[in-house]
Amino acid sequence: DQQVKQNSPSLSVQEGRISILNCDYTNSMFDYFLWYKKYPAEGPTFLISISSIKDKNEDGRFTVFLNKSAKHLSLHIVPSQPGDSAVYFCAASDRSGDKLTFGTGTRLAVRP
Amino acid sequence: NAGVTQTPKFRILKIGQSMTLQCTQDMNHNYMYWYRQDPGMGLKLIYYSVGAGITDKGEVPNGYNVSRSTTEDFPLRLELAAPSQTSVYFCASSYKPGPGLSSAFFGQGTRLTVV
Repeated sequence: DQQVKQNSPSLSVQEGRISILNCDYTNSMFDYFLWYKKYPAEGPTFLISISSIKDKNEDGRFTVFLNKSAKHLSLHIVPSQPGDSAVYFCAASDRSGDKLTFGTGTRLAVRP
Repeated sequence: NAGVTQTPKFRILKIGQSMTLQCTQDMNHNYMYWYRQDPGMGLKLIYYSVGAGITDKGEVPNGYNVSRSTTEDFPLRLELAAPSQTSVYFCASSYKPGPGLSSAFFGQGTRLTVV
């Protein structure tokens, strides 16, 4: 039972354009959401997060949007750069924040 | 500034062998985690620990054991390796002063193949 779903396994975007990565979840107890970025042969690194009391959080080129009623969140990268090419994981936890449940990842390729 | 260090980086095991994946962190984090990532899949939580002496099962604990005798170390033990345990294993740690959001720092991973 996949509680966090990333339905697009891959995405290709032109440099300078917007990248939009999507994530859906089924567990209504999830209260916190995070995005991680992973390069080959490295561990995931934390990118940006959002609490369920917000609907948007911005950090430089990265913005995460949360739609609680639709149980959907998205990560926007503007403008996309070739160095952004990586696998992006969506993750969620309940109010305790003890455990993270990860999605299956979306591989982003930014073309020069 | 080492962060989370995992050893070994690669290992090939024969069916039935045992091994310990080592994980150590130098950030004085109270929470530590072990995840596995199978091809095309997300990270699945194996075990986690909220502090020295305290461990708990995650989603996929069968076939594994852990211990947490110190804040720094969180080894993962495979007693009887099986092909289904072929995966990439990630250790992570985070600092949680209380309930709420806490981003985890990950190690570089251990790629394990059981043949």
